[in-house]
Amino acid sequence: TQLLEQSPQFLSIQEGENLTVYCNSSSVFSSLQWYRQEPGEGPVLLVTVVTGGEVKKLKRLTFQFGDARKDSSLHITAAQPGDTGLYLCAGDNSGGSNYKLTFGKGTLLTVNP
Amino acid sequence: DAGVIQSPRHEVTEMGQEVTLRCKPISGHDYLFWYRQTMMRGLELLIYFNNNVPIDDSGMPEDRFSAKMPNASFSTLKIQPSEPRDSAVYFCASSSNRGIHGYTFGSGTRLTVV
Repeated sequence: TQLLEQSPQFLSIQEGENLTVYCNSSSVFSSLQWYRQEPGEGPVLLVTVVTGGEVKKLKRLTFQFGDARKDSSLHITAAQPGDTGLYLCAGDNSGGSNYKLTFGKGTLLTVNP
Repeated sequence: DAGVIQSPRHEVTEMGQEVTLRCKPISGHDYLFWYRQTMMRGLELLIYFNNNVPIDDSGMPEDRFSAKMPNASFSTLKIQPSEPRDSAVYFCASSSNRGIHGYTFGSGTRLTVV
């Protein structure tokens, strides 16, 4: 059983469309991070959310941490081909005592021109 | 800074051979992580170090896997003997401040065991 479930697993959309991807768990996380991974490269950090209910914006990307700190969403407005990649969420559920990130399997996003 | 540097980028080896993957973390980062990524299982944490000391190796699959960090600027992950099911992309990542500002990943080593 995956600690962090991401959905959808695959998403293919046209340029200009909006989309939301989800990261869910039954566990509470001290913090949650989102990464984007491009083919042949390692994941790159996009954002860290720490407080329940927190919303962070990064240009056309909006990240939200659930009130109970068990889930998160990533919304992309007016998607562009450059947004194509694997989006991974990762959380620390050690209570901060033994910091290590557990990753979801990711959402593979393809934005077609 | 050149980021986290991993070598080799690609490795093809025969079953039973020893494989050594190398990682140079970002200078000043005191945490180093080894992950393995496959389509089926995603990114799995194998082991991590703090100040060169292994803290948690519960993700290491079996005794065939070992990792060392002899100093702050170098770590190795060794598989001996290698098996086809070890084929995956292996990532090294480093962080400071216990990772609250995120991990910096290397570009990975794609290992194929035939």
